[in-house]
Amino acid sequence: EAGVAQSPRYKIIEKRQSVAFWCNPISGHATLYWYQQILGQGPKLLIQFQNNGVVDDSQLPKDRFSAERLKGVDSTLKIQPAKLEDSAVYLCASSRDSYQPQHFGDGTRLSIL
Amino acid sequence: QQQVKQSPQSLIVQKGGISIINCAYENTAFDYFPWYQQFPGKGPALLIAIRPDVSEKKEGRFTISFNKSAKQFSLHIMDSQPGDSATYFCAASMASGTYKYIFGTGTRLKVLA
Repeated sequence: EAGVAQSPRYKIIEKRQSVAFWCNPISGHATLYWYQQILGQGPKLLIQFQNNGVVDDSQLPKDRFSAERLKGVDSTLKIQPAKLEDSAVYLCASSRDSYQPQHFGDGTRLSIL
Repeated sequence: QQQVKQSPQSLIVQKGGISIINCAYENTAFDYFPWYQQFPGKGPALLIAIRPDVSEKKEGRFTISFNKSAKQFSLHIMDSQPGDSATYFCAASMASGTYKYIFGTGTRLKVLA
């Protein structure tokens, strides 16, 4: 089975610009997650979707970050405007359901200049 | 209470040796403990997971030991190989609500040939 697909793999922008990341989960997986992984740290959950509904966005900086999962499949994560502290790898994961193991994509490495 | 503390931060082991990584948690509501392996430029990959109803789980060269009373669990890699050189993350989640994962800070393992 195909894994979680993410694009782009790398992105370099200047602070205050906007950026968007795309994720295509494993086929049939109802739950989708976006994580932020800062260098040298473990992944931190930003938002969790069950189908196209949000079940947890408690750690999402909602003043600058937004995410959507239209039709319960693909998802996009947007940052606007970006800050230097947003430099990180943004990982997307999916699971068959919320209590099933999570499978990760290879992430998008974001650098803010 | 939501933290998972992981140690050591880095570990160097000779080929054929045993690698041991430890994690500790406070929240007794956690009841699922996965370990992930991450290579540079790749997303975390599920290695092995355990629930508190067993004290040990073994899959090939990888073993999780779980001490419920001490609220600790550890990953043992037997006969460590250079190909095991990666960053390892423990995580914990609760079987209620959103089942979200709380990750440890990671252990960078280097196995010398």
